[in-house]
Amino acid sequence: QVQLVQSGAEVKKPGASVKVSCRASGYTFSTYDINWVRQASGQGLEWMGYRNPNSGNSAHAQNFQGRVTITTDTSTSTAYLELNSLRSEDTAVYYCVREGLDVWGKGTTVTVSS
Amino acid sequence: QAGLTQPPSVSKDLGQTATLTCTGNSNNIGNHGTAWLQQHQGHPPKLLSYRNNDRPSGISERFSASRSGNTASLTITGLQPEDEADYYCSTWDNSLSAVVFGGGTKLTVL
Repeated sequence: QVQLVQSGAEVKKPGASVKVSCRASGYTFSTYDINWVRQASGQGLEWMGYRNPNSGNSAHAQNFQGRVTITTDTSTSTAYLELNSLRSEDTAVYYCVREGLDVWGKGTTVTVSS
Repeated sequence: QAGLTQPPSVSKDLGQTATLTCTGNSNNIGNHGTAWLQQHQGHPPKLLSYRNNDRPSGISERFSASRSGNTASLTITGLQPEDEADYYCSTWDNSLSAVVFGGGTKLTVL
């Protein structure tokens, strides 16, 4: 079945970086954009950016300009989200989501704490 | 960045009909299809509707979506206890070159 499997929870200190992975299966990875969306506890959904695995086209939300990098590896059908200069406000569940928002990973909890 | 506007909460009785709204502008809802998502506590969101009123397979016909101008709506008929959840709208915004979400509506089924 079509699924996105994300890496496990992370705990990071302020100022550090985190890299979350998302492995796709059950469909042709290069055919769909991959989005990253985050959700702080008790809050709404926040789009971070997307990347097309085939063309490499990407876009990021202005809130994360300069801090976020989204990459894809078509050989392993895996997308990555890297977020730098972490602060406490980045504590959230991070989801990878297929284009069209029809397939979601289970989420990766990232906790930023000193 | 600016998003879409949803009422924070809606309460309806079991078996009744709930209509949830999502207001944007001509840069987003007015010119792009809107998706609706349902999220139960502790779970990832689930797509209920896309391109204004297409339903993924497996989604009940009790869920229907529509658009009028810059406002999208999700109507849920015959409310069930399992419909109690948070509901989000989402679309593309031309001016921001970004996907935008509404703040979410918490639906309570009484």
